[in-house]
Amino acid sequence: SYVLTQPPSVSVAPGKTASIACGGNKIERKSVHWYQQKPGQAPVLVVYDDTDRPSGIPERFSGSNSGNTATLTIKRVEAGDEADYYCQVWDSNTYHRVFGGGTKLTVL
Amino acid sequence: EVQLVESGGDLVQPGGSLRLSCAASGFTVSSNYMSWVRQAPGKGLEWVSIIYSSGTTYHADSVKGRFTISRHNSKNTVFLQMNTLRPEDTAVYYCARDRTSGSGYGYWGQGTLVTVSS
Repeated sequence: SYVLTQPPSVSVAPGKTASIACGGNKIERKSVHWYQQKPGQAPVLVVYDDTDRPSGIPERFSGSNSGNTATLTIKRVEAGDEADYYCQVWDSNTYHRVFGGGTKLTVL
Repeated sequence: EVQLVESGGDLVQPGGSLRLSCAASGFTVSSNYMSWVRQAPGKGLEWVSIIYSSGTTYHADSVKGRFTISRHNSKNTVFLQMNTLRPEDTAVYYCARDRTSGSGYGYWGQGTLVTVSS
Protein backbone atom coordinates (compact mmCIF):
# COMPACT_ATOMS: atom_id res chain seq x y z
CA SER A 1 0.00 0.00 0.00
CA TYR A 2 1.04 3.58 -0.58
CA VAL A 3 2.80 5.32 2.29
CA LEU A 4 3.01 9.06 3.00
CA THR A 5 5.75 10.27 5.33
CA GLN A 6 5.61 13.58 7.22
CA PRO A 7 7.94 15.01 9.87
CA PRO A 8 6.31 14.79 13.30
CA SER A 9 6.94 18.44 14.09
CA VAL A 10 7.97 21.75 12.56
CA SER A 11 8.67 24.95 14.49
CA VAL A 12 8.67 28.47 13.11
CA ALA A 13 8.81 32.01 14.45
CA PRO A 14 5.89 34.36 13.83
CA GLY A 15 6.16 36.18 10.52
CA LYS A 16 8.48 33.58 9.02
CA THR A 17 7.77 30.86 6.47
CA ALA A 18 6.92 27.26 7.42
CA SER A 19 7.40 24.36 5.03
CA ILE A 20 5.83 20.96 5.76
CA ALA A 21 6.96 18.03 3.62
CA CYS A 22 4.99 14.97 2.57
CA GLY A 23 7.07 12.18 1.06
CA GLY A 24 5.80 9.38 -1.14
CA ASN A 25 7.04 7.26 -4.03
CA LYS A 26 6.62 9.33 -7.23
CA ILE A 27 4.10 11.48 -5.42
CA GLU A 28 4.33 14.02 -8.22
CA ARG A 29 2.06 11.67 -10.20
CA LYS A 30 -0.69 12.04 -7.62
CA SER A 31 -2.97 14.87 -6.53
CA VAL A 32 -2.11 15.88 -2.97
CA HIS A 33 -4.52 17.47 -0.55
CA TRP A 34 -3.64 19.18 2.75
CA TYR A 35 -5.68 19.59 5.93
CA GLN A 36 -5.32 21.74 9.01
CA GLN A 37 -6.67 20.41 12.30
CA LYS A 38 -6.81 22.38 15.52
CA PRO A 39 -7.39 20.68 18.89
CA GLY A 40 -10.94 19.45 19.38
CA GLN A 41 -11.99 20.42 15.86
CA ALA A 42 -12.63 18.61 12.61
CA PRO A 43 -9.98 18.94 9.89
CA VAL A 44 -10.21 21.76 7.34
CA LEU A 45 -9.05 21.48 3.73
CA VAL A 46 -6.43 24.17 3.07
CA VAL A 47 -4.93 23.02 -0.26
CA TYR A 48 -6.33 20.59 -2.84
CA ASP A 49 -5.00 19.15 -6.09
CA ASP A 50 -1.41 20.03 -5.14
CA THR A 51 -1.70 23.81 -5.44
CA ASP A 52 -5.30 25.08 -5.25
CA ARG A 53 -6.91 26.81 -2.29
CA PRO A 54 -10.56 26.48 -1.27
CA SER A 55 -12.44 29.73 -0.89
CA GLY A 56 -11.76 31.36 2.45
CA ILE A 57 -8.25 29.99 2.83
CA PRO A 58 -5.64 32.80 2.99
CA GLU A 59 -3.19 33.21 0.13
CA ARG A 60 -0.43 32.63 2.70
CA PHE A 61 -1.13 28.90 2.26
CA SER A 62 0.30 27.30 -0.86
CA GLY A 63 1.30 23.87 -2.09
CA SER A 64 3.75 22.28 -4.49
CA ASN A 65 4.48 18.77 -5.67
CA SER A 66 7.61 17.45 -7.37
CA GLY A 67 9.46 14.17 -7.52
CA ASN A 68 8.95 12.27 -4.30
CA THR A 69 7.93 15.22 -2.12
CA ALA A 70 4.88 17.45 -1.83
CA THR A 71 5.17 20.58 0.28
CA LEU A 72 2.75 22.81 2.12
CA THR A 73 4.14 26.31 2.57
CA ILE A 74 2.73 28.85 5.00
CA LYS A 75 4.08 32.38 4.61
CA ARG A 76 4.02 35.06 7.30
CA VAL A 77 3.06 32.50 9.93
CA GLU A 78 0.64 33.63 12.61
CA ALA A 79 -0.07 32.22 16.07
CA GLY A 80 -3.44 31.01 14.75
CA ASP A 81 -1.69 28.71 12.27
CA GLU A 82 -0.52 26.48 15.09
CA ALA A 83 -2.17 23.14 14.37
CA ASP A 84 -1.65 19.63 13.03
CA TYR A 85 -1.31 19.36 9.26
CA TYR A 86 -2.01 16.23 7.19
CA CYS A 87 -1.37 15.38 3.57
CA GLN A 88 -3.62 12.95 1.71
CA VAL A 89 -3.71 11.19 -1.66
CA TRP A 90 -5.63 8.51 -3.51
CA ASP A 91 -3.83 5.22 -4.07
CA SER A 92 -4.67 4.15 -7.61
CA ASN A 93 -3.51 0.57 -6.93
CA THR A 94 -5.90 -0.13 -4.05
CA TYR A 95 -8.48 2.60 -4.64
CA HIS A 96 -7.94 3.60 -1.02
CA ARG A 97 -7.48 7.09 0.36
CA VAL A 98 -4.23 7.55 2.34
CA PHE A 99 -3.25 10.10 4.98
CA GLY A 100 0.21 11.05 6.10
CA GLY A 101 1.02 10.70 9.77
CA GLY A 102 0.60 14.42 10.41
CA THR A 103 2.91 17.28 11.34
CA LYS A 104 2.47 19.44 14.41
CA LEU A 105 3.27 23.05 13.56
CA THR A 106 4.47 25.06 16.55
CA VAL A 107 4.65 28.84 16.37
CA LEU A 108 7.46 29.95 18.65
CA GLU B 1 -25.35 25.20 3.21
CA VAL B 2 -23.64 21.80 3.36
CA GLN B 3 -23.97 20.10 6.74
CA LEU B 4 -22.93 16.68 7.99
CA VAL B 5 -24.14 15.44 11.36
CA GLU B 6 -22.83 12.17 12.76
CA SER B 7 -24.53 10.13 15.45
CA GLY B 8 -24.44 6.67 16.95
CA GLY B 9 -21.13 6.73 18.79
CA ASP B 10 -21.15 4.90 22.11
CA LEU B 11 -19.28 2.71 24.55
CA VAL B 12 -19.35 -0.91 23.35
CA GLN B 13 -17.68 -4.10 24.50
CA PRO B 14 -15.06 -5.87 22.38
CA GLY B 15 -16.76 -8.10 19.84
CA GLY B 16 -19.84 -5.90 19.80
CA SER B 17 -21.50 -3.98 16.99
CA LEU B 18 -22.47 -0.39 16.36
CA ARG B 19 -24.00 1.56 13.49
CA LEU B 20 -22.96 5.14 12.86
CA SER B 21 -25.14 7.56 10.90
CA CYS B 22 -24.22 10.68 8.96
CA ALA B 23 -27.20 12.86 8.14
CA ALA B 24 -26.50 15.22 5.26
CA SER B 25 -28.22 18.44 4.26
CA GLY B 26 -27.62 21.03 1.58
CA PHE B 27 -26.67 18.43 -1.05
CA THR B 28 -27.54 14.93 -2.27
CA VAL B 29 -25.52 12.10 -0.77
CA SER B 30 -26.08 9.79 -3.73
CA SER B 31 -24.47 12.29 -6.12
CA ASN B 32 -21.27 12.64 -4.12
CA TYR B 33 -18.31 10.65 -2.81
CA MET B 34 -18.80 10.07 0.91
CA SER B 35 -16.24 8.70 3.37
CA TRP B 36 -15.65 7.83 6.98
CA VAL B 37 -12.34 8.92 8.53
CA ARG B 38 -11.34 8.11 12.09
CA GLN B 39 -8.91 9.46 14.63
CA ALA B 40 -7.79 7.46 17.63
CA PRO B 41 -7.10 9.48 20.81
CA GLY B 42 -3.91 11.48 20.35
CA LYS B 43 -3.26 9.95 16.93
CA GLY B 44 -3.50 10.98 13.30
CA LEU B 45 -6.25 10.70 10.72
CA GLU B 46 -7.01 7.27 9.26
CA TRP B 47 -9.21 6.72 6.22
CA VAL B 48 -11.81 4.01 6.88
CA SER B 49 -14.33 3.67 4.04
CA ILE B 50 -15.72 5.35 0.94
CA ILE B 51 -18.91 5.04 -1.08
CA TYR B 52 -18.90 6.50 -4.57
CA SER B 53 -21.86 8.01 -6.34
CA SER B 54 -21.99 4.78 -8.37
CA GLY B 55 -22.52 2.83 -5.15
CA THR B 56 -19.08 1.19 -5.29
CA THR B 57 -17.48 0.90 -1.86
CA TYR B 58 -13.97 0.40 -0.51
CA HIS B 59 -12.72 -0.20 3.00
CA ALA B 60 -9.33 0.07 4.68
CA ASP B 61 -7.56 -3.24 5.26
CA SER B 62 -7.81 -2.67 9.02
CA VAL B 63 -11.63 -2.84 8.90
CA LYS B 64 -12.31 -4.92 5.79
CA GLY B 65 -14.75 -7.72 6.52
CA ARG B 66 -15.89 -6.06 9.76
CA PHE B 67 -17.14 -2.61 8.67
CA THR B 68 -19.60 -1.78 5.88
CA ILE B 69 -20.40 1.63 4.47
CA SER B 70 -23.82 2.19 2.92
CA ARG B 71 -26.31 4.94 2.22
CA HIS B 72 -30.05 5.52 2.29
CA ASN B 73 -30.88 7.81 -0.59
CA SER B 74 -34.33 8.90 0.52
CA LYS B 75 -33.01 9.73 4.02
CA ASN B 76 -29.93 11.39 2.52
CA THR B 77 -27.86 9.55 5.10
CA VAL B 78 -24.65 7.53 5.07
CA PHE B 79 -24.05 4.69 7.50
CA LEU B 80 -21.11 2.76 8.86
CA GLN B 81 -22.00 -0.66 10.22
CA MET B 82 -19.23 -1.79 12.54
CA ASN B 83 -19.09 -5.41 13.64
CA THR B 84 -16.63 -7.44 15.71
CA LEU B 85 -15.31 -4.26 17.27
CA ARG B 86 -11.83 -4.22 18.79
CA PRO B 87 -10.23 -1.87 21.34
CA GLU B 88 -8.09 -0.43 18.53
CA ASP B 89 -11.27 0.77 16.80
CA THR B 90 -11.67 3.34 19.58
CA ALA B 91 -11.68 6.72 17.86
CA VAL B 92 -13.62 9.76 16.82
CA TYR B 93 -15.32 8.88 13.55
CA TYR B 94 -15.80 11.68 11.04
CA CYS B 95 -18.11 11.69 8.05
CA ALA B 96 -16.62 13.60 5.13
CA ARG B 97 -17.60 14.62 1.61
CA ASP B 98 -15.32 15.33 -1.31
CA ARG B 99 -15.11 19.00 -2.24
CA THR B 100 -15.71 17.81 -5.77
CA SER B 101 -15.10 14.24 -6.86
CA GLY B 102 -11.54 13.35 -5.91
CA SER B 103 -10.48 16.85 -4.90
CA GLY B 104 -10.02 16.41 -1.20
CA TYR B 105 -12.46 16.33 1.71
CA GLY B 106 -14.04 19.74 1.56
CA TYR B 107 -16.75 19.05 4.12
CA TRP B 108 -16.56 17.32 7.49
CA GLY B 109 -18.96 16.53 10.29
CA GLN B 110 -18.17 17.23 13.94
CA GLY B 111 -17.36 13.58 14.65
CA THR B 112 -18.82 10.92 16.93
CA LEU B 113 -16.84 9.03 19.56
CA VAL B 114 -16.71 5.25 19.57
CA THR B 115 -15.14 3.61 22.59
CA VAL B 116 -14.50 -0.14 22.59
CA SER B 117 -13.77 -1.36 26.08
CA SER B 118 -14.89 -3.92 28.62
